[in-house]
Amino acid sequence: DQQVKQNSPSLSVQEGRISILNCDYTNSMFDYFLWYKKYPAEGPTFLISISSIKDKNEDGRFTVFLNKSAKHLSLHIVPSQPGDSAVYFCAASGETSGSRLTFGEGTQLTVNP
Amino acid sequence: EPEVTQTPSHQVTQMGQEVILRCVPISNHLYFYWYRQILGQKVEFLVSFYNNEISEKSEIFDDQFSVERPDGSNFTLKIRSTKLEDSAMYFCASSRLGQTIYGYTFGSGTRLTVV
Repeated sequence: DQQVKQNSPSLSVQEGRISILNCDYTNSMFDYFLWYKKYPAEGPTFLISISSIKDKNEDGRFTVFLNKSAKHLSLHIVPSQPGDSAVYFCAASGETSGSRLTFGEGTQLTVNP
Repeated sequence: EPEVTQTPSHQVTQMGQEVILRCVPISNHLYFYWYRQILGQKVEFLVSFYNNEISEKSEIFDDQFSVERPDGSNFTLKIRSTKLEDSAMYFCASSRLGQTIYGYTFGSGTRLTVV
């Protein structure tokens, strides 16, 4: 299932700098896009979402950008903190997929002090 | 902060045995889900449950799988005859409104190892 793809398995940034995590999708029927964060031995934790009718949603240090024409979304974390080090999953859902979320592979973010 | 609780955290079972994974969703949530993540692979949807019935299931959720809300607080996933390829992390999740835009709350997962 390649409908949601995160091409970077890992990303390393310095504390205080911007982290940019990327996600691509192929299914144009997706209506909602979400980012989850996952620490080891814990379940995914919901971070932020965006509807397909918007191109940006911001919540504190986290901003999600959606480019529908490119079928691409990104999560910006500014400023990055060591506690942000986790695996970040992009997920999507749509009318035709009901309530199910389709996840990407995840990107391991490491924020170095 | 309300939590989704899953037990056990780790279960080892012999191939062919039945296993029941247990979850206690957040008390005022109405929609319940099971997902799984095989080591090194994506998190995959298994099933969603609302109003005491399955509302949606994936191709993975075949006749070997079943879900139940036996007592109004627990939500269980049963695998009737486990196979080696059922080894995975199983996550339970719940939501109040059932709309994905608001996100779900996931539990910490049960690691199932089939030997």
